[in-house]
Amino acid sequence: EDQVTQSPEALRLQEGESSSLNCSYTVSGLRGLFWYRQDPGKGPEFLFTLYSAGEEKEKERLKATLTKKESFLHITAPKPEDSATYLCAVPNNAGNMLTFGGGTRLMVKP
Amino acid sequence: KAGVTQTPRYLIKTRGQQVTLSCSPISGHRSVSWYQQTPGQGLQFLFEYFSETQRNKGNFPGRFSGRQFSNSRSEMNVSTLELGDSALYLCASSPSTGLDTEAFFGQGTRLTVV
Repeated sequence: EDQVTQSPEALRLQEGESSSLNCSYTVSGLRGLFWYRQDPGKGPEFLFTLYSAGEEKEKERLKATLTKKESFLHITAPKPEDSATYLCAVPNNAGNMLTFGGGTRLMVKP
Repeated sequence: KAGVTQTPRYLIKTRGQQVTLSCSPISGHRSVSWYQQTPGQGLQFLFEYFSETQRNKGNFPGRFSGRQFSNSRSEMNVSTLELGDSALYLCASSPSTGLDTEAFFGQGTRLTVV
């Protein structure tokens, strides 16, 4: 059974204070790893897909990286508008189901 | 290009009633999946449809059912509602044969059971 664990559960940062979120996964065969951002009461917003170890993708202040066991979402010089819950997910082997981690709630204070 | 559309956005139902939620995927997307999100359990998979066929179902009771139409629109139904069914129900659509490419979510339907 695929498992995805995210840490920390919550993270408070000052504006401009860089940090990283962790997503550890156990799957029988990685077919991709997705990162999403979710604002309260809204659906998850797609950020990145990573497919192989060593892959990196960037978008504004966010950079996602992937190893064989985990993925990191690096946030550089965050702003208050980056406050949200960040979710990671992996598809199963059949590609017909996503398993999500519990999410990291990020709060960036000005 | 329009995103994933879920209707209604909010619902309040009474225990024992049934409810139907609707999801219109992004044009051209054939895979539609449903998830239940609660504060305690996070996002949990309900079922996935591709070309009108249910390909996978999560660990939910038979009160939860769904279907997909020939235009890829999908509905999910919950019968005999219980208080514990209160949640945000999310629909996602995917462009290819499965969820190993990007999956895009709708805004969700917030269901409250009283």
